Amino acid sequence: DVKVTQSSRYLVKRTGEKVFLECVQDMDHENMFWYRQDPGLGLRLIYFSYDVKMKEKGDIPEGYSVSREKKERFSLILESASTNQTSMYLCASSDQTGRNTEAFFGQGTRLTVV
Amino acid sequence: GESVGLHLPTLSVQEGDNSIINCAYSNSASDYFIWYKQESGKGPQFIIDIRSNMDKRQGQRVTVLLNKTVKHLSLQIAATQPGDSAVYFCAERKGGNEKLTFGTGTRLTIIP
Repeated sequence: DVKVTQSSRYLVKRTGEKVFLECVQDMDHENMFWYRQDPGLGLRLIYFSYDVKMKEKGDIPEGYSVSREKKERFSLILESASTNQTSMYLCASSDQTGRNTEAFFGQGTRLTVV
Repeated sequence: GESVGLHLPTLSVQEGDNSIINCAYSNSASDYFIWYKQESGKGPQFIIDIRSNMDKRQGQRVTVLLNKTVKHLSLQIAATQPGDSAVYFCAERKGGNEKLTFGTGTRLTIIP
């Protein structure tokens, strides 16, 4: 059973804290993604990685950074958390077969910044 | 600017009827369009995709239609069941790029 695992289901952090969201996949996928999901806005891509140490900005990268030191792990970093970063964060992975469009998602991390 | 997945936010359908969920897009450079289903408390799950050079693709109880003339995508679910209750997202993958861009989603509610 393929799996994308996010380290926390719920997190509460204070404004200004540095926050790490961790994601691990066991499918040996090259691609990994971080999205945030907000009501009425759908899923918006924050960052994308297509290989170890490689990253590409998504649609809303401001206030975030990422790290991919190993193929199976993709971390999202909030350098200084703010209340407008309260959201559901979803990690996903996919392989690089040209025909493949299926991304596998984790269960999500609901982050509240107070 | 470009956008994908302009959905109606909610749709209610009687159990046993067919459901049609619609999506509009503006980017003609996409090579695939994809539908995902998100049940409560879970991440989205892949349902079906369609390549941009096709206009119809069928799966088990689902059919996706692509109309490139009006940049419209639809997901048809036959004989809707309670387990079909979820939020449905259309997504696109731009040609030559692995990124998936999602729309805003439609919440499908099944009426018993």
